[in-house]
Amino acid sequence: KNQVEQSPQSLIILEGKNCTLQCNYTVSPFSNLRWYKQDTGRGPVSLTIMTFSENTKSNGRYTATLDADTKQSSLHITASQLSDSASYICVVSEGYSSASKIIFGSGTRLSIRP
Amino acid sequence: DSGVTQTPKHLITATGQRVTLRCSPRSGDLSVYWYQQSLDQGLQFLIQYYNGEERAKGNILERFSAQQFPDLHSELNLSSLELGDSALYFCASGTYLAKNIQYFGAGTRLSVL
Repeated sequence: KNQVEQSPQSLIILEGKNCTLQCNYTVSPFSNLRWYKQDTGRGPVSLTIMTFSENTKSNGRYTATLDADTKQSSLHITASQLSDSASYICVVSEGYSSASKIIFGSGTRLSIRP
Repeated sequence: DSGVTQTPKHLITATGQRVTLRCSPRSGDLSVYWYQQSLDQGLQFLIQYYNGEERAKGNILERFSAQQFPDLHSELNLSSLELGDSALYFCASGTYLAKNIQYFGAGTRLSVL
């Protein structure tokens, strides 16, 4: 069964610190993996997207890594800011057709404390 | 701004009623996806349309239905509403030609009283 699992479920860190969020998947055939940021009550916004051949992608203070062999991805946030408080969702696409499945992880809720 | 427009932003109604949520996708996007997000829950995929045709179905109740029109906008119809249907409903658009990137609207917050 295609699954995407994220850890931890929630995380609290102090402003200015770094953190790493994890995503493990069992989706096959793998197409791409995306990280989204969702502020409370808002729609998710794409942070990074990686295909099979890409193992790292940065977007400002966000850096995503992908190990397609172990089917693991991580999202590293550097020098956290209060505005980073949000849910971070890992999303994996299966296949390449218009009907390919898109599987969402349940998200990691990140809280940044001043 | 993602380019995806959802209306209305907020909707308050009573149990047993029927409502329609509307979504206008980004220009050029043929796929429209609908998601439900209950309080403090993850996104639950409801249904996907591609160029007017239903492509994939998720955990969509029989009381719910959707369609995509020739101009590619989509509507999600929720009927015989129950208290548990209160949630944020998101629409996303995209095209599988662009690595299946989905662009999300701001959502419609439905409150069933």
